[in-house]
Amino acid sequence: DSGVTQTPKHLITATGQRVTLRCSPRSGDLSVYWYQQSLDQGLQFLIQYYNGEERAKGNILERFSAQQFPDLHSELNLSSLELGDSALYFCASSVRGPGNEQFFGPGTRLTVL
Amino acid sequence: AQTVTQSQPEMSVQEAETVTLSCTYDTSESDYYLFWYKQPPSRQMILVIRQEAYKQQNATENRFSVNFQKAAKSFSLKISDSQLGDAAMYFCACSGSARQLTFGSGTQLTVLP
Repeated sequence: DSGVTQTPKHLITATGQRVTLRCSPRSGDLSVYWYQQSLDQGLQFLIQYYNGEERAKGNILERFSAQQFPDLHSELNLSSLELGDSALYFCASSVRGPGNEQFFGPGTRLTVL
Repeated sequence: AQTVTQSQPEMSVQEAETVTLSCTYDTSESDYYLFWYKQPPSRQMILVIRQEAYKQQNATENRFSVNFQKAAKSFSLKISDSQLGDAAMYFCACSGSARQLTFGSGTQLTVLP
């Protein structure tokens, strides 16, 4: 158990819908990262937050957004869903400092029908 | 930005034998970190080993060790005394000042009894 929690574990929805994925980092970790794992794109970095502020953006679509709340949990919002958004979405957290070691949550499996 | 290449989509090893997984990377940064993550069928991402680029000594974690060749930008993972529980997808990853991980495409390792 990495200490990072993600809910829900599975999500099945229809095209055009909007969903919210939730992540709670390890106690003491200020950084949260979101990654997408799909068959055709592999593991891709989406976005990073540090202590409530956006720090870096990767290959995140405009239909996707995220935020980190004062209690440090983070939410990833996916809207106008398309079939191609079906993937495993991971959240990871890390402490500030050298090493950049990231601990991953169990992921949320999103299926868009 | 970094790129990570894993040229072996699949590998197999006999139980108790040794196997080496290959990884090459490219980065323009002088300060970076390299990682191997394991993803078993449960899909959980588990950190196997980490290497700081400024350290010449190769990292070792029990049966897992790396061969870090900085000039060649090579970072291979050696698994000794392979066990059935080592069967998984293995991802090589790199991070720099931006901290997010850039992953390779993965190597599926099968351990034969």
